[in-house]
Amino acid sequence: EAGVTQFPSHSVIEKGQTVTLRCDPISGHDNLYWYRRVMGKEIKFLLHFVKESKQDESGMPNNRFLAERTGGTYSTLKVQPAELEDSGVYFCASSQFISVWNEQFFGPGTRLTVL
Amino acid sequence: GDSVTQMEGPVTLSEEAFLTINCTYTATGYPSLFWYVQYPGEGLQLLLKATKADDKGSNKGFEATYRKETTSFHLEKGSVQVSDSAVYFCAFGGSQGNLIFGKGTKLSVKP
Repeated sequence: EAGVTQFPSHSVIEKGQTVTLRCDPISGHDNLYWYRRVMGKEIKFLLHFVKESKQDESGMPNNRFLAERTGGTYSTLKVQPAELEDSGVYFCASSQFISVWNEQFFGPGTRLTVL
Repeated sequence: GDSVTQMEGPVTLSEEAFLTINCTYTATGYPSLFWYVQYPGEGLQLLLKATKADDKGSNKGFEATYRKETTSFHLEKGSVQVSDSAVYFCAFGGSQGNLIFGKGTKLSVKP
């Protein structure tokens, strides 16, 4: 069974440009999460989809970030326009159920560098 | 608010040394506790978990015990190997299903 995949693995863009990150969760997992780790800091929750609906987007830093999950399969996270402080590693995770006991399966992450 | 505090790194050990990485948490209720590991060039992997007080999670020689009274979940391994070099993250399950992580501890094991 394929794990969570993310594309691209690395992205280097200039301030003001737009970048779109993609996440493909494990097949059959209704729950999809986005997290971000800024250098040296905690991995922080951004948002949570249940199928195509946003369950919780309390971690989204500002309105330059737009996440979608059309059709409840893969998800995209667009940053427009990108700022220097957006640099970091963006992780996607998926799980079958919502539960504080349920394991989330993580992708390898996308390393975003904004110059 | 909810948070995880874990030992600052980096930690450098010689092979076969004993490892402890401290982790304490602040949370509402009694969440499940996790240790995730990120090996160089790879994504986060679940290393072990514990779902209730006094539970011990274990995997690959690593252990951690859920201590409700001290709100701690310290990671230990009796004899580390070079292949254990990685970044270790302590985390717990938030009430909305998301995970709340610590800052990570980088471990380097020298032969």
